[in-house]
Amino acid sequence: ETGVTQTPRHLVMGMTNKKSLKCEQHLGHNAMYWYKQSAKKPLELMFVYNFKEQTENNSVPSRFSPECPNSSHLFLHLHTLQPEDSALYLCASSQGDRENTEAFFGQGTRLTVV
Amino acid sequence: SQELEQSPQSLIVQEGKNLTINCTSSKTLYGLYWYKQKYGEGLIFLMMLQKGGEEKSHEKITAKLDEKKQQSSLHITASQPSHAGIYLCGADLDDYKLSFGAGTTVTVRA
Repeated sequence: ETGVTQTPRHLVMGMTNKKSLKCEQHLGHNAMYWYKQSAKKPLELMFVYNFKEQTENNSVPSRFSPECPNSSHLFLHLHTLQPEDSALYLCASSQGDRENTEAFFGQGTRLTVV
Repeated sequence: SQELEQSPQSLIVQEGKNLTINCTSSKTLYGLYWYKQKYGEGLIFLMMLQKGGEEKSHEKITAKLDEKKQQSSLHITASQPSHAGIYLCGADLDDYKLSFGAGTTVTVRA
């Protein structure tokens, strides 16, 4: 248990569906991240929020829409995804400053787009 | 090209044998992290190195960061089946952003 909780753990959705991934941390961290891990590829950073402000958007398609209502919660809203979006989506949090960059990861959501 | 190069990509080791994984960066590493991932699950933090020449150990796993802070190695002594998994190095190369290597898949054979 890392202190970062992701739900759901598994998700199967059709290409026309709309779903959301949820991430929650109560570690007092100020930075939260969404990562995508596809098979045999390095972890890809998608979005970064620092103090609830989005500071990074790594050319992610608009069919992925992040939301950070407060420093403890992070959502990833999904709509009209493609089969190639099937992957493990990991949420992480960190203190958000250079002296404390250790990230704590959730267990991930295994997403399958059919 | 990737900012962090990990080698080897995969390795198979006999139980009880030692193994080493390397992580190399073209940039200075402000913080270097080693994680272990069990297949399809979240990352488990192993250890963090920040100072050049630093070495840390936890049980049978030792990690080092070279003096120039551009390369790190992870060494497992007397490997066990529980050591099997994907090992990733992560680094703080820019403000707030973590970058990762492609990972090394470790298989331990009984």
